[in-house]
Amino acid sequence: GENVEQHPSTLSVQEGDSAVIKCTYSDSASNYFPWYKQELGKGPQLIIDIRSNVGEKKDQRIAVTLNKTAKHFSLHITETQPEDSAVYFCAASHPSYDKVIFGPGTSLSVIP
Amino acid sequence: DSGVTQTPKHLITATGQRVTLRCSPRSGDLSVYWYQQSLDQGLQFLIQYYNGEERAKGNILERFSAQQFPDLHSELNLSSLELGDSALYFCASSVGEGLQYFGPGTRLTVT
Repeated sequence: GENVEQHPSTLSVQEGDSAVIKCTYSDSASNYFPWYKQELGKGPQLIIDIRSNVGEKKDQRIAVTLNKTAKHFSLHITETQPEDSAVYFCAASHPSYDKVIFGPGTSLSVIP
Repeated sequence: DSGVTQTPKHLITATGQRVTLRCSPRSGDLSVYWYQQSLDQGLQFLIQYYNGEERAKGNILERFSAQQFPDLHSELNLSSLELGDSALYFCASSVGEGLQYFGPGTRLTVT
């Protein structure tokens, strides 16, 4: 069945450094890829998303890249800050039904 | 604030009991999803409803059931509770195309 893998499972970076989280998906028909940030005790919140007709999207310090041929997409956070510490989930969505497959999550710690 | 509301925020109950979790989707969203998140675990998809009808099922136990009402709010019923059912339960709503908005969750503790 459909599957989304996510690496690494944990990531520690120094404040100001960049963080990269990578995901791969199995269903080549997937065409929508959202990223969610979950802070402790809260629900996941959408931070950025990308559709299959776009290779890259940027929003301030956050960017997402998509390689449809290789079926992988990545989240890039630059100039990390302590408030970026959270669990990040990638996801992939198939166009013919409203189902979203989530990756297992990456716990990011930004060390001041 | 995502616009999705969940009640109650916290729930403590004993093994063998039954509880009901409630979710109100964002205005206009027809799809409601339920997820379970155990400690340090990912989001486990339980079930999806679309405009009152079940659309997809994930890893939902037979002891669990859900429904979506005509006003589009949804309830997740958990019965014969076990210690292992202790978790965060999230509801999400969507207008379609994969973009989901999550509620703040209900923390269930079974003692």
